[in-house]
Amino acid sequence: DAGVTQSPTHLIKTRGQQVTLRCSPKSGHDTVSWYQQALGQGPQFIFQYYEEEERQRGNFPDRFSGHQFPNYSSELNVNALLLGDSALYLCASSFGTKPYEQYFGPGTRLTVT
Amino acid sequence: QQQVKQSPQSLIVQKGGISIINCAYENTAFDYFPWYQQFPGKGPALLIAIRPDVSEKKEGRFTISFNKSAKQFSLHIMDSQPGDSATYFCAPKATGGSQGNLIFGKGTKLSVKP
Repeated sequence: DAGVTQSPTHLIKTRGQQVTLRCSPKSGHDTVSWYQQALGQGPQFIFQYYEEEERQRGNFPDRFSGHQFPNYSSELNVNALLLGDSALYLCASSFGTKPYEQYFGPGTRLTVT
Repeated sequence: QQQVKQSPQSLIVQKGGISIINCAYENTAFDYFPWYQQFPGKGPALLIAIRPDVSEKKEGRFTISFNKSAKQFSLHIMDSQPGDSATYFCAPKATGGSQGNLIFGKGTKLSVKP
C-alpha cells in the first residue's frame, strides 16, 4: 500500500520564477493538505483540497495556489518566487470524514536563489 | 500569534529513560491533539493522538496525557531508545470550520544516548 508520494524531491529555482509541486495521496484518501516547513520550524498550513475545491486556506498570499484532480492527486503552484519561499513543502492526505488525521509525504525541498 | 507552545526545545535522555515533551495551547477550541515524529529528511509521521474527552491514551511505549483545565497535553516515551531520536511536534486542530488546519508547535529535538 503506497503512502503519500511527492515530486520532485528537490528543486532549485530563481527569484521571480514559478514552480509546481505534485502530490499523490495515500490509497483510499480523498483529501490533500499542503504545508510549508521552514528550516528548524514546525510545518505551517497552506491550504486543503477536497472534492477538487479549496476547502480551507491558511495565512499565505495569493501567489500560492493549488489544484486537485479527479483522482485526488494535487498540485501546489507558487508564482513570483521570493527567497523566503525556500522551504520543505509537505503534502498530507486524509479521508474526508477525518480531514485532521493527516499522513505526510517526504516533502519537496525548494531552494530559491 | 503563537497558539501552541512546545517545550523543551531540545531534550537529551539516556537509553531506557523516560522522555517527556509538553505542549500548552491558548485556544480552548481545539478538539484533536496529535503528536508527530519527524526524522531528518523525512515528512512528519503521525505517532499518537487523543480527543479531549479522554485524559490519557497509551500505545506501546508512547503515552499522551491531556489536562483540559490546564490547556496542556504531553507526550511520554517510556524506555527511550536511540531509534527514538527525532524531532517531535504537537499539532492540535481547532474546532469549527478549521477541520483540516493542524497548528504545529516549533518542535522538540530528542536525542537518546546509548
